[in-house]
Amino acid sequence: AQKVTQAQTEISVVEKEDVTLDCVYETRDTTYYLFWYKQPPSGELVFLIRRNSFDEQNEISGRYSWNFQKSTSSFNFTITASQVVDSAVYFCALSTTSGTYKYIFGTGTRLKVLA
Amino acid sequence: DTEVTQTPKHLVMGMTNKKSLKCEQHMGHRAMYWYKQKAKKPPELMFVYSYEKLSINESVPSRFSPECPNSSLLNLHLHALQPEDSALYLCASSPRAGEETQYFGPGTRLLVL
Repeated sequence: AQKVTQAQTEISVVEKEDVTLDCVYETRDTTYYLFWYKQPPSGELVFLIRRNSFDEQNEISGRYSWNFQKSTSSFNFTITASQVVDSAVYFCALSTTSGTYKYIFGTGTRLKVLA
Repeated sequence: DTEVTQTPKHLVMGMTNKKSLKCEQHMGHRAMYWYKQKAKKPPELMFVYSYEKLSINESVPSRFSPECPNSSLLNLHLHALQPEDSALYLCASSPRAGEETQYFGPGTRLLVL
């Protein structure tokens, strides 16, 4: 079975705080892909990052960083020095060979950054 | 450029109306997708087109009818919808169907009265 769990439904932080969004996935496939998307109130899902199962290297892009750990089946996302513009719903997604590469989305984490 | 455009942005329709949603991309992608998203839920896949052919239909009711006239365009024809069909409809595209990253459009917010 394929599954993505985002246990944090909603997080509120004050501007400039660091925040980590958790993503735990389940799959028996050895080849799979993990994604993070941002959905601001406007509705569009904005692609942030894709990671394949063979690449456990962590990634940093400006204030964003991602920690991929196969040992714990987690792909966590950290925003450093959060800003009000980071307020959005963040989705983690999984696609696998046996799932015909259809996206399996987590339930999303709503992040509110307060000024 | 990773832009997918959708029109209209908002649509209000009655249960007897016929309307269409349009999606366009000029990235040369050969896979296009329709998703439905209810409030506070993740997107749910409806249809996948690969090389202009319907490859996945997630058991969507026939009142939703997709069409892919060419590799850049994707339509969703709506007829005799129900109030519970009110949602955000998202279009996405990817270079091919498969392990590729999907790029989403801004969506059409549909209200069925």
